[in-house]
Amino acid sequence: SYVLTQPPSVSVAPGKTASITCEGNDIGGEGVHWYQHKPGQAPVLVMYNHGDRPSGIPERFSGSYSGNTAALSITRVEVGDEADYYCQVWDSSIDRAVFGGGTKLTVL
Amino acid sequence: EVQLLESGGSLVQPGGSLRLSCAASGFTFSSYAMNWVRQAPGKGLEWVSGISGFGGNTYYADSVKGRFTISRDNSKNLLYLQINSLRAEDTALYFCAKDFTIVTPSAFDVWGQGTMVTVSS
Repeated sequence: SYVLTQPPSVSVAPGKTASITCEGNDIGGEGVHWYQHKPGQAPVLVMYNHGDRPSGIPERFSGSYSGNTAALSITRVEVGDEADYYCQVWDSSIDRAVFGGGTKLTVL
Repeated sequence: EVQLLESGGSLVQPGGSLRLSCAASGFTFSSYAMNWVRQAPGKGLEWVSGISGFGGNTYYADSVKGRFTISRDNSKNLLYLQINSLRAEDTALYFCAKDFTIVTPSAFDVWGQGTMVTVSS
């Protein structure tokens, strides 16, 4: 089955840029979606189809991909961005949704 | 305002059954696929099941296929998850999530707060 690999953790200083990666075979051919999940809250979709931003999500959030790696970038990181971030695709070959293992973003 | 409210979670013995519900409001329910996603304590998100807008297509993770059944009542704006033969590893917070699309699940743009299922003797 399709596997998405994320780094367990990423640390960044306030005001800097954070990049969270998601690796998967031929990931460019899939629509990669990204979620922000804070403790005790519902997950929030922050990016869909690689680089489309839902309404209400700040322009500081952007998405891209190259080869087998997709990435979520957050510029001018704020303390409020601290959360777990998950990438996700729909594997149409077996009709299953797949999540990456999640990346804990720590704002130092 | 688009809202999803899950209910039905509880403490259940191994082998038991449970039905989770998700009440939707603020959007045309039948126009969107819906999903269940769970998070075990200390673990990441795991997609469990999805259903098309009119209910004709259902999808399941391998870990729950044959034990879980997803359904919906579009006249009542309700999504369900029937869970049978519960195992300790099914212990998790179960989220209801609205999809972008009507037929095949894609991205989940609205989530509920979740309902907790605990499987223990």
